[in-house]
Amino acid sequence: EAGVTQFPSHSVIEKGQTVTLRCDPISGHDNLYWYRRVMGKEIKFLLHFVKESKQDESGMPNNRFLAERTGGTYSTLKVQPAELEDSGVYFCASSQGLAVLTGELFFGEGSRLTVL
Amino acid sequence: AQSVTQPDIHITVSEGASLELRCNYSYGATPYLFWYVQSPGQGLQLLLKYFSGDTLVQGIKGFEAEFKRSQSSFNLRKPSVHWSDAAEYFCAVGAGNYGQNFVFGPGTRLSVLP
Repeated sequence: EAGVTQFPSHSVIEKGQTVTLRCDPISGHDNLYWYRRVMGKEIKFLLHFVKESKQDESGMPNNRFLAERTGGTYSTLKVQPAELEDSGVYFCASSQGLAVLTGELFFGEGSRLTVL
Repeated sequence: AQSVTQPDIHITVSEGASLELRCNYSYGATPYLFWYVQSPGQGLQLLLKYFSGDTLVQGIKGFEAEFKRSQSSFNLRKPSVHWSDAAEYFCAVGAGNYGQNFVFGPGTRLSVLP
């Protein structure tokens, strides 16, 4: 069974450009989460999808970030326009039920974003 | 607000030595607690979890953790470290209005000397 896959693994862009990160969760997982780790600090929650619906987007830093999950399968996270402080590693994770209740959150390898 | 602290940014131990990684949390209710490990080039992997019951929990790869409510701690231990344990370790607490997301600590990087 394939795990959570993320693309690209590394993206280098200039300030002001746009980047789109993609996450393919494990098949059958309704819950999809985006997290971000900036400058080696804490891994911080961005948002949570249940199927195609945004259940919680309280962690999204500002309106330059847009996440979608059309059809309840893969998800994209777009940053437009990118700023220097957006650099970091963006993790996607999925779970079959609520991660806290099941205790299992399956992570992808992360997409490293470098904004110059 | 929920928070997790891991006081040690980087720890170095010799192979075969014992290991303890510290984790303290701040949470109003009974917490759901987790330890994850990230090896180089890989995603985070669940090592163990605590929901309730026995405060000493066993995980994969020979790791265990003990929940101490009085100290708000959930320290990770291993009696004998292997070189393959070199990785970054994250403690996390289940959070959110209905526990839908995790709050992670800053991580502890473990180096293992031969």
